[in-house]
Amino acid sequence: EPEVTQTPSHQVTQMGQEVILRCVPISNHLYFYWYRQILGQKVEFLVSFYNNEISEKSEIFDDQFSVERPDGSNFTLKIRSTKLEDSAMYFCASSERGGSSYNEQFFGPGTRLTVL
Amino acid sequence: DQQVKQNSPSLSVQEGRISILNCDYTNSMFDYFLWYKKYPAEGPTFLISISSIKDKNEDGRFTVFLNKSAKHLSLHIVPSQPGDSAVYFCAPTGNYGQNFVFGPGTRLSVLP
Repeated sequence: EPEVTQTPSHQVTQMGQEVILRCVPISNHLYFYWYRQILGQKVEFLVSFYNNEISEKSEIFDDQFSVERPDGSNFTLKIRSTKLEDSAMYFCASSERGGSSYNEQFFGPGTRLTVL
Repeated sequence: DQQVKQNSPSLSVQEGRISILNCDYTNSMFDYFLWYKKYPAEGPTFLISISSIKDKNEDGRFTVFLNKSAKHLSLHIVPSQPGDSAVYFCAPTGNYGQNFVFGPGTRLSVLP
């Protein structure tokens, strides 16, 4: 069964460093998402992406964050200068459809980001 | 931001009995509701959905009920099995599935 994959599973970085979290969505999916879950808190939407551009983003997704689909398979989340409060599980998700039709999102296993 | 509430952080049920997980929301623009299940160290997995034009959707042991006037939905699992032990998130959207607002989750423990 096709699945969303994410690498690395765990990333440890120093405060102020840049990190890139990588995701490979399900191959025929066209809509891509990033969510995060700070330990003990709820899953929060960060950004959705379609047709090589951001379609929606939350207030969490500030100028420190960016997303990119550098090739036909990868979808990345970059945090330019990490802060302690960026420590969280980051989940990538993809869906076959979006826009005018509802569709469930399939989630990857997550990347645990630890900022020291 | 308390758009979605799941007021029971945890729930314990005996195997074979019914599990009822509740979700309340405040945003009247929500019109599509999903339940996700999450095991430790894994991403959320889709379980069942319901759109606002229905008040019930059933899939095997899982049934979701929607009361739009009360802005309340519930997930029923019957009979509950130990493998159902997980955190369950209610996740509504009103933006054509662009972004789901996750509730805080309910940790279900099904005891053998």
